[in-house]
Amino acid sequence: DIVMTQSPDSLAVSLGERATINCKSSQSILYSSNDKNYLAWYQQKVGQPPQLLINWASTRESGVPDRFSGSGSETDFTLTISSLQTEDVAVYYCQQYYSAPWTFGQGTKVEIK
Amino acid sequence: EVQLVESGGGLVQPGGSLRLSCAASGFTFSSYWMHWVRQAPGKGLVWVSRIKSDGTSIIYADSVKGRFTISRDNAKNTLYLQMNSLRADDTAIYYCARPKEVTRAYFDLWGRGTLVTVSS
Repeated sequence: DIVMTQSPDSLAVSLGERATINCKSSQSILYSSNDKNYLAWYQQKVGQPPQLLINWASTRESGVPDRFSGSGSETDFTLTISSLQTEDVAVYYCQQYYSAPWTFGQGTKVEIK
Repeated sequence: EVQLVESGGGLVQPGGSLRLSCAASGFTFSSYWMHWVRQAPGKGLVWVSRIKSDGTSIIYADSVKGRFTISRDNAKNTLYLQMNSLRADDTAIYYCARPKEVTRAYFDLWGRGTLVTVSS
């Protein structure tokens, strides 16, 4: 199984400041035949189901604010919130969809400092 | 409206059974490979099972293999999860999830979940 490890577990950032979440996979999730990284990012607010933010490591979902961006390749990935807003308080998960069983990171809780 | 609505959760004793349902609407359910994902209280997301659009291919997480059965009724636009031999560590919110691309395993549509509590 591919293990997804996020860091940090929690993060407190001032309003308007940058938040950076890292995600590391235990093996490469870059598929060589199409040069795509099989990685998604989700946001989960309290009491709600997850919401897809980013797929293919860097493709922002329609309607997701452009302050959210994804980057990285092979085994190391980053979700960046360029200017943290109150509504961004949530837990963020990375997920690999390269191979079954599809696995998630343990989550990173983002709070306002 | 495009949505997934889970039902069937509740309190069950260890060793007991439950059947979860997920009613889909607003999209062509029969085209999508559908999934169950669970989340223990205060914990992270764990993928549970996937069924192909026509029901001919099914896979499970090792933690539920042999105890859970996923199925679907495309005529009723409904996904199911039969859970037997339930254990305390099966306690979780169970979400059904639709992939953004019909055969991929990243999810752009989630239900609100149904809570399963396994306790004596």
